[in-house]
Amino acid sequence: GAVVSQHPSWVICKSGTSVKIECRSLDFQATTMFWYRQFPKQSLMLMATSNEGSKATYEQGVEKDKFLINHASLTLSTLTVTSAHPEDSSFYICSARQGASDNEQFFGPGTRLTVL
Amino acid sequence: GQQLNQSPQSMFIQEGEDVSMNCTSSSIFNTWLWYKQDPGEGPVLLIALYKAGELTSNGRLTAQFGITRKDSFLNISASIPSDVGIYFCAGFNQAGTALIFGKGTTLSVSS
Repeated sequence: GAVVSQHPSWVICKSGTSVKIECRSLDFQATTMFWYRQFPKQSLMLMATSNEGSKATYEQGVEKDKFLINHASLTLSTLTVTSAHPEDSSFYICSARQGASDNEQFFGPGTRLTVL
Repeated sequence: GQQLNQSPQSMFIQEGEDVSMNCTSSSIFNTWLWYKQDPGEGPVLLIALYKAGELTSNGRLTAQFGITRKDSFLNISASIPSDVGIYFCAGFNQAGTALIFGKGTTLSVSS
């Protein structure tokens, strides 16, 4: 089956620093990648949708200048949390979809971010 | 906006028991998906439902897409300890571009 990886799997950073999280589709080309955030014991909340070569579409309430998304190739999307604060601590999960009409999304294993 | 209401929120069962959980919405969904998430991992797709009334099985798991397209249930038969985890229902938003997740059902299985 299709595999999506994320790097790093966990990261601890100081408040005010920026953190970059990578999402890669390992054995398929992903026209669309999605970024979700999951707080403890809560559901996955979609943050943004990114299509290769174009600007990401952010969900309401998600600051695009704080969560920078780059989908520069068909196998890689990055999420940069800029000037991170403790309230940004969360589990960030990406998913990838192969084709525009595909219903199935393949999820990465997630990245645990802790901001001190 | 579209929301998915999942119940129960959590379940504690004995190994070997059958489990049932469901998902409802006030909106119509054209696709229902059931995922399982283990601690510290991303969700894994269990069953996908694409037609109203559809009943689909995957091993000990069975899921149905409600006739009204506003609900779905997931059954697990003869539960085993590795069934422990959080089960999410999900459906596509109105634009069909992104998934909306329910709040999840946490399953605990004691042996």
